[in-house]
Amino acid sequence: EVQLVESGGGWVQPGGSLRLSCAASGFTFSTYWMSWVRQAPGKGLEWVANINQDGSEKNFVDSVKGRFTISRDDAKNSLYLQMNSLRVEDTATYYCARDRAWSTFDTWGQGTKVTVSS
Amino acid sequence: QSALTQPASVSGSPGQSIAMSCTGTSSDVGGHNHVSWYQQHPGKAPKLMIYDVSNRPSGVPDRFSGSKSGNTASLTISGLQAEDEADYYCSSYTSRGVFGGGTKLTVL
Repeated sequence: EVQLVESGGGWVQPGGSLRLSCAASGFTFSTYWMSWVRQAPGKGLEWVANINQDGSEKNFVDSVKGRFTISRDDAKNSLYLQMNSLRVEDTATYYCARDRAWSTFDTWGQGTKVTVSS
Repeated sequence: QSALTQPASVSGSPGQSIAMSCTGTSSDVGGHNHVSWYQQHPGKAPKLMIYDVSNRPSGVPDRFSGSKSGNTASLTISGLQAEDEADYYCSSYTSRGVFGGGTKLTVL
């Protein structure tokens, strides 16, 4: 079964850091682009970042550039999102998603919740 | 990049057909055939329903169909069922990903 499982969410104060992880199983992880997508409470989906198969290409939404980094470890079938200098507006459920091709997200994790609050 | 434009809500009665739109620009929706649609029930992860404008992944009922004209893509659901009530999001290929604001479908 193709599966993505996120972890690492929680509560953090503004300015703090968190590292999200996404464990993939049931498919050849190293052959796919991967993305992080977030959803603020009561709001719509927002694409956050993606990374290509060998990690040489990474893209970010403007609002997180310079604060978030995305990485992957194909040996561990894992995707990561390092979030620094967190802001209240980063509060959201963060989903890991597999990109089958052309920004088509065919597999999603269950999400991990991040709350940034003082 | 700007989000794609979707109506905030649509509604229909069981058995009816509804359509919802997703409007972008020639740089995204109108520039290629890589438009996808996602269904999201409350508290759940999104689910891919349509990709490449009109293709259905395995397991998605054929009541769901997609189309595109110019810079506007559309999702049509025929024979509405109660379980179709959900939020629907469109997305278009770009190097950095973009979603529509979402449409809440209410089955009356």
